[in-house]
Amino acid sequence: QSALTQPASVSGSPGQSITISCTGTSSDVGTYNYVSWYQHHSGKAPKLLIYGVIGRPSGVSSRFSGSRSGDTASLTISGLQPEDEADYYCISYTRSSTWVFGGGTKVTVL
Amino acid sequence: QVQLVESGGGVVQPGRSLRLSCAASGFTVTTYGMHWVRQAPGKGLEWVAHVGYNGDNLHYADSVKGRFTISRETSENTVFLHMNSLRVEDTAVYFCARDFSGQWTIDYWGRGTLVTVS
Repeated sequence: QSALTQPASVSGSPGQSITISCTGTSSDVGTYNYVSWYQHHSGKAPKLLIYGVIGRPSGVSSRFSGSRSGDTASLTISGLQPEDEADYYCISYTRSSTWVFGGGTKVTVL
Repeated sequence: QVQLVESGGGVVQPGRSLRLSCAASGFTVTTYGMHWVRQAPGKGLEWVAHVGYNGDNLHYADSVKGRFTISRETSENTVFLHMNSLRVEDTAVYFCARDFSGQWTIDYWGRGTLVTVS
């Protein structure tokens, strides 16, 4: 159950687009359409942004989008805003019937 | 609306036990699977355990298997995490979270309860 691999930090200026990658294996990200992304502000409950690789829950801004290529899933934030500064985590269902998170990515809005 | 409220955290010595509770409202735990997730100080999220909507489908992270048990009390609409043989590395904020039905992921989370093993 090794954690999925995410960059430790990503930064961008307001209005720019950034992409966060989440690399797993054929036992998780590469096989199952069950990759999700969460936004987490410290001290608060994480918020679901993307589910099922590309699905977006109602109420989540269309500035957040998901994709996948092979064993790597990605979250793109378009039109970066100051309130987007937070930690972002991916999670995938696995072949072992468990779940595994990425190590988390700190997004900084310059 | 959906609410999850964790309780039971605190300071405990290594080797001792602790039980966390998660009171659910706005839905019934008999229709949704439930998870526990933790976050050690300065670290990322770590999935810990899952119980299916029917009380079966129990799964655990390797790091807690054999020491932690997830259970539920349907009459109280509450989910528990029984933690035995606690280690210093179990120190974390523990979050209760709800299954997103059919999507094999999590939709709602609580705000967490802090467990310190020292």
